[in-house]
Amino acid sequence: QQQVKQSPQSLIVQKGGISIINCAYENTAFDYFPWYQQFPGKGPALLIAIRPDVSEKKEGRFTISFNKSAKQFSLHIMDSQPGDSATYFCAASNTQGGSEKLVFGKGTKLTVNP
Amino acid sequence: KAGVTQTPRYLIKTRGQQVTLSCSPISGHRSVSWYQQTPGQGLQFLFEYFSETQRNKGNFPGRFSGRQFSNSRSEMNVSTLELGDSALYLCASSPAWGADQETQYFGPGTRLLVL
Repeated sequence: QQQVKQSPQSLIVQKGGISIINCAYENTAFDYFPWYQQFPGKGPALLIAIRPDVSEKKEGRFTISFNKSAKQFSLHIMDSQPGDSATYFCAASNTQGGSEKLVFGKGTKLTVNP
Repeated sequence: KAGVTQTPRYLIKTRGQQVTLSCSPISGHRSVSWYQQTPGQGLQFLFEYFSETQRNKGNFPGRFSGRQFSNSRSEMNVSTLELGDSALYLCASSPAWGADQETQYFGPGTRLLVL
């Protein structure tokens, strides 16, 4: 049972373009939604996170859009750069359950061409 | 502040052997979680420790076990290794308190190859 579904599996964009990665979740108890960026040979690094009480959060070129009724959230990378080429994971957690267990999507490999 | 450290970084074992992986969390962090990352299954939760107590456990066989010490350092052990245990094992720590309590910071991982 895949609780967090992520798409697309891979994405190629041109430098300066917008990269959009989508995730959908099933468990309505999830209340924390982080995005992680992972480069080859490295561990995932937190990019940005959102809670369901807001519909959008922006940090620099990265924006999370959140639709609670549709149980969907997405990551937008504006002005994509070759250095953004990495694998991106969405995740979800039920922080009220006394655990910080993260449920991850399968990941999106982003390639930004120069 | 130093990040999460994991040792060893690389490990080669043969089927049937056992392995112990170590994780040192960020100073002051009290919660440690372990994840297995494989190309097929992605990132899967193994277990979570807080104040030396296992707080949650993922859907893995009993061959996978862990513990946390009083200084928050954690170890995970895999006994009777199988080929399918080849993976990147990631440790993450979080403060478990304050405004940043749920944010997990990952280490670089231990890459385990089982032959």
